[in-house]
Amino acid sequence: NAGVTQTPKFQVLKTGQSMTLQCAQDMNHNSMYWYRQDPGMGLRLIYYSASEGTTDKGEVPNGYNVSRLNKREFSLRLESAAPSQTSVYFCASSDFLGRLYEQYFGPGTRLTVT
Amino acid sequence: TQLLEQSPQFLSIQEGENLTVYCNSSSVFSSLQWYRQEPGEGPVLLVTVVTGGEVKKLKRLTFQFGDARKDSSLHITAAQTGDTGLYLCGPGGFKTIFGAGTRLFVKA
Repeated sequence: NAGVTQTPKFQVLKTGQSMTLQCAQDMNHNSMYWYRQDPGMGLRLIYYSASEGTTDKGEVPNGYNVSRLNKREFSLRLESAAPSQTSVYFCASSDFLGRLYEQYFGPGTRLTVT
Repeated sequence: TQLLEQSPQFLSIQEGENLTVYCNSSSVFSSLQWYRQEPGEGPVLLVTVVTGGEVKKLKRLTFQFGDARKDSSLHITAAQTGDTGLYLCGPGGFKTIFGAGTRLFVKA
């Protein structure tokens, strides 16, 4: 049981390059999320998927796209990377437990855009 | 938008000391969660509090939910170096918005 896995762990891009961050969970959770974490800013929600087949924007969606490939996988794409997208990206999954959600996070992808 | 303010932003203490960190909001929450994030890792859920005035203990960590369900505190007794990390709070609902966190450093 690996929980939430993310690839790659580290990435360096040049401005204008594109890439896709991969995320998979093996807990059969319905909901999945992408966050970015910058110093002093905490976690900010980029996009989320409440269930397979649906995606919605979070707080900071500009410059990103997502795909919920199936129940297990949720990918984040940067079409044209910018230095402002230098950050640590976390994927998370959760499920409803009667009254509340508990989120499980992956180990993160550290992205630098030069 | 629900705003969560966490204080202090940064805390550096000696091993064995006690400390309290806070999570405050102007909004009422049906529940509130605390996560700890160790360097280089993703956040891990520590506890969920759901009832106003509720107190939960996790070994040396004591979590309290305010009576009005707008604030919460985390008290650590006799801090250890293993407590070092970023402590985040957020409402336990779908599409959680987190506070900026308190970064705790416990020195040996």
